[in-house]
Amino acid sequence: QKEVEQDPGPLSVPEGAIVSLNCTYSNSAFQYFMWYRQYSRKGPELLMYTYSSGNKEDGRFTAQVDKSSKYISLFIRDSQPSDSATYLCAMSAADSNYQLIWGAGTKLIIKP
Amino acid sequence: GAGVSQSPSNKVTEKGKDVELRCDPISGHTALYWYRQRLGQGLEFLIYFQGNSAPDKSGLPSDRFSAERTGESVSTLTIQRTQQEDSAVYLCASSLGRLNEQFFGPGTRLTVL
Repeated sequence: QKEVEQDPGPLSVPEGAIVSLNCTYSNSAFQYFMWYRQYSRKGPELLMYTYSSGNKEDGRFTAQVDKSSKYISLFIRDSQPSDSATYLCAMSAADSNYQLIWGAGTKLIIKP
Repeated sequence: GAGVSQSPSNKVTEKGKDVELRCDPISGHTALYWYRQRLGQGLEFLIYFQGNSAPDKSGLPSDRFSAERTGESVSTLTIQRTQQEDSAVYLCASSLGRLNEQFFGPGTRLTVL
């Protein structure tokens, strides 16, 4: 079993829809949770960063962490065709020198 | 300012040959990482450099893989005697420190025939 599980998709939704992307994990020591966006043939770029549990909002993006369920989510409101990309979750813990452990990524397609 | 750059962008090589991949980090970033991304998979950590400290090589998959970095400048990842399973995108990232945001280059797409 992988430490971080993420549905590879693709997830296809119409423009303007609310998108929900999720990751589950097995290591309860994870404290830092990140969402990266990766466009085709580009490197990942950081979207959201959350420490421990709770919600964080930035514009159209909301990140949620539920440590009791070992489950994290990224919500995208009013989705745009430019949001079409692969979304990767990543997480780390102090006891492993903050080395990032990555999900496989979910490919998101926003249809105009 | 300039971001992280990597060269070459694409490399096709024959099984058994050695390859060298280059990464130019963002100026002032003391931390540098190499990752491997196989098709449809997440990033796999390979090696981490932090300033002049000994690198964290715990992710290197075999002794065919090695990396160097002089100070806080350019890094090279070398794969000796390449195998077909080495085919992947090799990504480099740099940051101010291990807890800081990592900035990624565009990657080198390696194909071993």
